[in-house]
Amino acid sequence: GAVVSQHPSRVICKSGTSVKIECRSLDFQATTMFWYRQFPKKSLMLMATSNEGSKATYEQGVEKDKFLINHASLTLSTLTVTSAHPEDSSFYICSASGDRGTWDEQYFGPGTRLTVT
Amino acid sequence: AQSVTQPDIHITVSEGASLELRCNYSYGATPYLFWYVQSPGQGLQLLLKYFSGDTLVQGIKGFEAEFKRSQSSFNLRKPSVHWSDAAEYFCCSNTGKLIFGQGTTLQVKP
Repeated sequence: GAVVSQHPSRVICKSGTSVKIECRSLDFQATTMFWYRQFPKKSLMLMATSNEGSKATYEQGVEKDKFLINHASLTLSTLTVTSAHPEDSSFYICSASGDRGTWDEQYFGPGTRLTVT
Repeated sequence: AQSVTQPDIHITVSEGASLELRCNYSYGATPYLFWYVQSPGQGLQLLLKYFSGDTLVQGIKGFEAEFKRSQSSFNLRKPSVHWSDAAEYFCCSNTGKLIFGQGTTLQVKP
């Protein structure tokens, strides 16, 4: 149980275009989902926290107009990188909290490798 | 601010040898602590977690960790490492959101 999927696993896009990444909880309802960014050989950096039906809370330094997050249902959250540039190339990972809330463990998706050319 | 420190960026051990990965946290109250493992192409997988109670926590794949409040530590141990344990290991604290340590890359020599 507690499986989180991400789609696509890899995406290459041209500079200036937008790309959407989906995060789904497959066998449980996720009130809260998280989006992380991971640079090579680096730890995970929390970008934002999204709660179903409400606006996402962004971490300091993360541009909310560039990284649009939508959490329209209890099983789906999306991250849209708008007007992507090469510096946005990274590994994006989503996670979802279990039913004990945000203080409990998180279940992670396999990640999406974004390359902007 | 809360922080998690993993002092060892890279560790190499021989297969069959014991392993200890270090983790120190900075938080006023007792944090919720986790160890995750990240293998290439796979999502982070929870190895074990500590909320309260017994300070020696057993996890999956033969891992255990011990919470030591006096040392602000939550070190991960395994008595005998297998080649399949080679991966990236993250220690985390949860104070409403996960705070990750820098990660430790484990390499296993045959």
